[in-house]
Amino acid sequence: EPEVTQTPSHQVTQMGQEVILRCVPISNHLYFYWYRQILGQKVEFLVSFYNNEISEKSEIFDDQFSVERPDGSNFTLKIRSTKLEDSAMYFCASSRAGPIEAFFGQGTRLTVV
Amino acid sequence: RKEVEQDPGPFNVPEGATVAFNCTYSNSASQSFFWYRQDCRKEPKLLMSVYSSGNEDGRFTAQLNRASQYISLLIRDSKLSDSATYLCVVSRRNQGGKLIFGQGTELSVKP
Repeated sequence: EPEVTQTPSHQVTQMGQEVILRCVPISNHLYFYWYRQILGQKVEFLVSFYNNEISEKSEIFDDQFSVERPDGSNFTLKIRSTKLEDSAMYFCASSRAGPIEAFFGQGTRLTVV
Repeated sequence: RKEVEQDPGPFNVPEGATVAFNCTYSNSASQSFFWYRQDCRKEPKLLMSVYSSGNEDGRFTAQLNRASQYISLLIRDSKLSDSATYLCVVSRRNQGGKLIFGQGTELSVKP
């Protein structure tokens, strides 16, 4: 069964450093997403990406964040100058079309120290 | 007011019980509705989409009431493996497929 894969599974970084989280969406999917979940809280939308551009982003997704699809398979989330409050589980997801079922990767646990 | 609200839980039920989850959404422009389940520290996994006519998948039944902006999930004959957090999820038109999650309701099925 096709799945969304994310690397790394766990990343520890020092405050102020840049991190790049990587995702390989399901191959025939056209929409790609990043979500995050702070421990004990709900899953929050960060950004959606379609046709090589951002189609929607939340207020959380400020200038500190950027996304890129550098080739035909990878989808990345870059967080510049990480803060302690960026510590969370980051989930990548993909779907065949916008408002239909999205499938999630297993997540990257980001710990900022 | 939260856009998606769920029963706070947790629900503790014996094996074989029937359990119902309730969810309300505040934005009438919501277009698509889903139930996801999330095991501890794992990714959300799609359980089922929710259609206006209601739909069933084995022991699981989902209902949607657009007039009341209410969604439900019924699990019959609950199994130990049903223990998880159940997430009510909605999306709106023209928002790039953005999913809006409820806080989730935790279910614990005991032997």
